[in-house]
Amino acid sequence: AQTVTQSQPEMSVQEAETVTLSCTYDTSESDYYLFWYKQPPSRQMILVIRQEAYKQQNATENRFSVNFQKAAKSFSLKISDSQLGDAAMYFCAYRSLFTGGGNKLTFGTGTQLKVEL
Amino acid sequence: EADIYQTPRYLVIGTGKKITLECSQTMGHDKMYWYQQDPGMELHLIHYSYGVNSTEKGDLSSESTVSRIRTEHFPLTLESARPSHTSQYLCASRTGFTDTQYFGPGTRLTVL
Repeated sequence: AQTVTQSQPEMSVQEAETVTLSCTYDTSESDYYLFWYKQPPSRQMILVIRQEAYKQQNATENRFSVNFQKAAKSFSLKISDSQLGDAAMYFCAYRSLFTGGGNKLTFGTGTQLKVEL
Repeated sequence: EADIYQTPRYLVIGTGKKITLECSQTMGHDKMYWYQQDPGMELHLIHYSYGVNSTEKGDLSSESTVSRIRTEHFPLTLESARPSHTSQYLCASRTGFTDTQYFGPGTRLTVL
């Protein structure tokens, strides 16, 4: 079974600065997807960014980018020019391509990001 | 935000009551999911569906049941609620052509 580990329960960043959230995972599969989801307080969980394991190029979405290190099984999220609206719980998630279970997502325990003025 | 809805958003009930948490999506997605999330914790899959008349249990054992009679609707039912059922329940959906799951706003359930 796959596992996802987020070792930083909380992180803080100053507005306009850059922060990196860590995620590691364990799998024996060669092809899979990785995701970062954002869950603001009392609001809907939304997708921030996704990465296909077969792609060597790191995904980017505006101020959000990932550092995907397949051999190290590491998938960190970098947020540049942090804004107050970035404050949220961030979840790293893994999805296998080949196993059953409805292609479910396996989530990490989350990192609470605080953005300070 | 995605077109996936959950009602009620908040529910406080007494032990032994029967409850149904509603989830609807207007995107025509065939795959739907229910996750349970305790405060400050990760999400655990409790039920999923590949399509109409398809329901499967997830990783986390749950006393709840689900049904999928219509594509857009995936309700979750607890026949007799207990305090151990207190949690947040998140519904999600996706089409088979994409890997992205879209989440509803969640139902925060408290059983007294």
